Amino acid sequence: GNSVTQMEGPVTLSEEAFLTINCTYTATGYPSLFWYVQYPGEGLQLLLKATKADDKGSNKGFEATYRKETTSFHLEKGSVQVSDSAVYFCALSDVGDDYKLSFGAGTTVTVRA
Amino acid sequence: GAGVSQSPRYKVAKRGQDVALRCDPISGHVSLFWYQQALGQGPEFLTYFQNEAQLDKSGLPSDRFFAERPEGSVSTLKIQRTQQEDSAVYLCASSSKETQYFGPGTRLLVL
Repeated sequence: GNSVTQMEGPVTLSEEAFLTINCTYTATGYPSLFWYVQYPGEGLQLLLKATKADDKGSNKGFEATYRKETTSFHLEKGSVQVSDSAVYFCALSDVGDDYKLSFGAGTTVTVRA
Repeated sequence: GAGVSQSPRYKVAKRGQDVALRCDPISGHVSLFWYQQALGQGPEFLTYFQNEAQLDKSGLPSDRFFAERPEGSVSTLKIQRTQQEDSAVYLCASSSKETQYFGPGTRLLVL
């Protein structure tokens, strides 16, 4: 079956620091990969996605590259802001599984001024 | 444009009570998903509709959970005889192809 493993948190950073959240996956088919973000008191929002190997998703300064050889989709941002404090979820969906999402456990990121 | 909406946003139920949670998907989205998110965890799949057809209900934890989407738009998740372990946030998502858009969730607390 499909599964996602992501770096455990919590992660605490200073403003302008570099952020990496590791994510690896197991899938039987050819999944699409996603990062969702949940800001305090808000619902899940799509941050970025990649639908095939070597694709790079990017949004709001965040990037992640779909690496089939290492089955990874690590999230990176070069200079975080306080407003990036949130819970980040890595997820995958597979056309062979009706596109239902399999999520990692989430990583809580706190950015301090 | 309007996103996915869910109601109620919060629900407190006494153990044994029945509850109904509503989801209004994005207009025109054929696919609709329900997920359960326990505190501190990622969402877990419950069930999936394509139009009015429930194509996958493999994630429903027991026969106390029932979902419907009779006209292929609004969906209702019903939990009968609620138990404390049902306390969670219930998320609805509708999708266009492989990308799912989530509602704000209903936070259910069973006392």
